Amino acid sequence: GAVVSQHPSRVICKSGTSVKIECRSLDFQATTMFWYRQFPKKSLMLMATSNEGSKATYEQGVEKDKFLINHASLTLSTLTVTSAHPEDSSFYICSEQKGMNTEAFFGQGTRLTVV
Amino acid sequence: QKEVEQNSGPLSVPEGAIASLNCTYSDRGSQSFFWYRQYSGKSPELIMFIYSNGDKEDGRFTAQLNKASQYVSLLIRDSQPSDSATYLCAVKGGGSYIPTFGRGTSLIVHP
Repeated sequence: GAVVSQHPSRVICKSGTSVKIECRSLDFQATTMFWYRQFPKKSLMLMATSNEGSKATYEQGVEKDKFLINHASLTLSTLTVTSAHPEDSSFYICSEQKGMNTEAFFGQGTRLTVV
Repeated sequence: QKEVEQNSGPLSVPEGAIASLNCTYSDRGSQSFFWYRQYSGKSPELIMFIYSNGDKEDGRFTAQLNKASQYVSLLIRDSQPSDSATYLCAVKGGGSYIPTFGRGTSLIVHP
């Protein structure tokens, strides 16, 4: 069964508004969360890595003020797309990982459309 | 910079055949290797992982790892149309816990 729950699965928002995406680990253990975005027929692009209680580490070129990541509790990480624009429309996916060499499991993904 | 290379395909095989998907990686210090399947419009799902040289079998899937050649492959026996998807190779290790993904290989299994 699923080990990480992501929602919403699909969201349409107006340009200029903010959208929050949540990912929750279902086994109540500390987890590292990775956030990806993926454009149609393109590869996964890592945006940032988050751990509970510390600031997220963003990949080069990702605007941390636009893509706010919060990992305030052991099992919950959120990504907020602020002041969304049509070019932010994409498939956003979280992925959790328990240990350094263990496998990563993906959430169901969120299809964001900004109109 | 760590790189993971996959042929984007599409790889087209007839139903019942063996599909062979390949992946090479640049970091010789890599320690763990993963194969994910991604259906169109869905998120990736883990199929297999392998840590040691050699073969690892799970049902119709076999992962093969050759660290000397920096090569990992996935064989799918008795391919089914439902196996049609993009297959992502991911590699970890060498001092980093962040997986590096390949671009994926599109597999089409035709009836």
